[in-house]
Amino acid sequence: KQEVTQIPAALSVPEGENLVLNCSFTDSAIYNLQWFRQDPGKGLTSLLLIQSSQREQTSGRLNASLDKSSGRSTLYIAASQPGDSATYLCAGDSGGYQKVTFGTGTKLQVIP
Amino acid sequence: DGGITQSPKYLFRKEGQNVTLSCEQNLNHDAMYWYRQDPGQGLRLIYYSQIVNDFQKGDIAEGYSVSREKKESFPLTVTSAQKNPTAFYLCASSDDRDKNEQFFGPGTRLTVL
Repeated sequence: KQEVTQIPAALSVPEGENLVLNCSFTDSAIYNLQWFRQDPGKGLTSLLLIQSSQREQTSGRLNASLDKSSGRSTLYIAASQPGDSATYLCAGDSGGYQKVTFGTGTKLQVIP
Repeated sequence: DGGITQSPKYLFRKEGQNVTLSCEQNLNHDAMYWYRQDPGQGLRLIYYSQIVNDFQKGDIAEGYSVSREKKESFPLTVTSAQKNPTAFYLCASSDDRDKNEQFFGPGTRLTVL
């Protein structure tokens, strides 16, 4: 059974700092890996999707990478801003419209 | 605007009552999903549907039921058999089978009184 772990559970950084969020999974048979952002009481917003044939994706100040051999994905946020404060979740699937397994998230606070 | 809508935003239920949560999408996506989110836990899959008139149980289907009569609609009924239904419920959809990129609605918070 796939398990996805995100460490740390919470992170507080000063504004402007670069940071890395980690996601690890027990089964290397990950097909797609998706990173989401969730604000309190809201739904999930998709940030980046790394497809099976890819190793990384970039969008603005965000860069996500996937290393299937080590069972890890990282989300890099450059020049953090207070508006980046939210919970970040990663999720992996085994292909097709199959079950997606979510991590428990990292709650990020960027201090002005 | 294309997207996923969920209603109501907040729902209160008395013990022993069944309630139905609505999920509608106008993205023309084939697959739809229902998740439950509890504090400190990741999202857990309740049910998913890959096509109209077909759906499969997820990890925590007991006490829940769904239907998929139309492509754009995937309502979830929380029955009185669900022991601890107080949670945040999220509906999602996806289109491309290879990418399986998930798009989420705003969620419904259900509280049992």
